[in-house]
Amino acid sequence: GAVVSQHPSRVICKSGTSVKIECRSLDFQATTMFWYRQFPKQSLMLMATSNEGSKATYEQGVEKDKFLINHASLTLSTLTVTSAHPEDSSFYICSAVRASGGTGELFFGEGSRLTVL
Amino acid sequence: GEDVEQSLFLSVREGDSSVINCTYTDSSSTYLYWYKQEPGAGLQLLTYIFSNMDMKQDQRLTVLLNKKDKHLSLRIADTQTGDSAIYFCAENGGSGNTGKLIFGQGTTLQVKP
Repeated sequence: GAVVSQHPSRVICKSGTSVKIECRSLDFQATTMFWYRQFPKQSLMLMATSNEGSKATYEQGVEKDKFLINHASLTLSTLTVTSAHPEDSSFYICSAVRASGGTGELFFGEGSRLTVL
Repeated sequence: GEDVEQSLFLSVREGDSSVINCTYTDSSSTYLYWYKQEPGAGLQLLTYIFSNMDMKQDQRLTVLLNKKDKHLSLRIADTQTGDSAIYFCAENGGSGNTGKLIFGQGTTLQVKP
């Protein structure tokens, strides 16, 4: 089946630093990827829609300068948390939709847990 | 706006059936999904149902959709301890194949031996 991989799975950083999380579709091309954030014991909140070759579309309340998204190729989207602060600590999950055909099924990555000290 | 509601917790004994319920508000949803999340892991698609279907069965999983009442349920037959996880209901709000999903809060399923 389709596989989406995230890297790193866990990252701990100091406050004020920037962290990049990668999301790769391993065996299919994805024109669209999505970035979600999940707080402990809560549901997933869509942060932004990442479109290959164009600017990401951010959901209301998500700071685009804080969470930089780049979708440079059909198999890779990156989320960079800039100047991270402890309140940015969370579980970030990406998902991808096949470029062609499909049922609308999303394939999710394993998630990346960010801890900002 | 779009909203998806689930009960937060369900506890069953091993071997029993589990039924997890979900209600949604967006009648334009074309696909409805059930995802499973184990501790510290990402989401695993369990099954999905197209909005013009009433029922879908896949091995131990049965999905029932009542489109009139906007009610979705997931039944797990012969529940095992390995089924303990958080189950999320999601709908695509009529976004077709774009994959932008609205998730419920998740139902924590606890399976007691």
